[in-house]
Amino acid sequence: GAVVSQHPSRVICKSGTSVKIECRSLDFQATTMFWYRQFPKQSLMLMATSNEGSKATYEQGVEKDKFLINHASLTLSTLTVTSAHPEDSSFYICSANSRAGGSYEQYFGPGTRLTVT
Amino acid sequence: QKEVEQDPGPLSVPEGAIVSLNCTYSNSAFQYFMWYRQYSRKGPELLMYTYSSGNKEDGRFTAQVDKSSKYISLFIRDSQPSDSATYLCAMTHTGTASKLTFGTGTRLQVTL
Repeated sequence: GAVVSQHPSRVICKSGTSVKIECRSLDFQATTMFWYRQFPKQSLMLMATSNEGSKATYEQGVEKDKFLINHASLTLSTLTVTSAHPEDSSFYICSANSRAGGSYEQYFGPGTRLTVT
Repeated sequence: QKEVEQDPGPLSVPEGAIVSLNCTYSNSAFQYFMWYRQYSRKGPELLMYTYSSGNKEDGRFTAQVDKSSKYISLFIRDSQPSDSATYLCAMTHTGTASKLTFGTGTRLQVTL
């Protein structure tokens, strides 16, 4: 099956610093990747849709200048949390849409736990 | 009202029981319906994927979609302790690039 990786799996940073999270599709090409965040015991909330070679589309209420998304290739998207604050502490999960055959199957990465102190 | 409603549980059943998990939704434009399993502190794993109405079976898992009632179900037969996880329903519109709308997830605990 399709595999999506994320790096790092967990990160602790100080308030005011920036953190970059990578999302890679390992065995398929993904024209579209998605970034979600998940608070404890809550569901996934879509933050943005990332398309290769173009600007990301952000969901309402998500600050595009704070959560920078770059989808530079068909296998890599990055999310940078700028000037992180404790309220940004969350579980960030990416997913990638399988390109083959127009399938709507979406494969998720293992997530990155961000803790801002 | 949320677009997708799902009972958060927790749902506790004995090993071997049949489990029924459900979601209701309000948007009739949803055409693709998925069930994901998520273990604690892990990313969701796709279990079942159904297009439009009908049933789909895969091993111990059966997914049902009733578009007329805007109701989807996931049945797990012969439940095992390893099935203990949070189950998320998700759905998407026709023709979009799979922007998923998730339910809140149901926590399932299968006890010995």
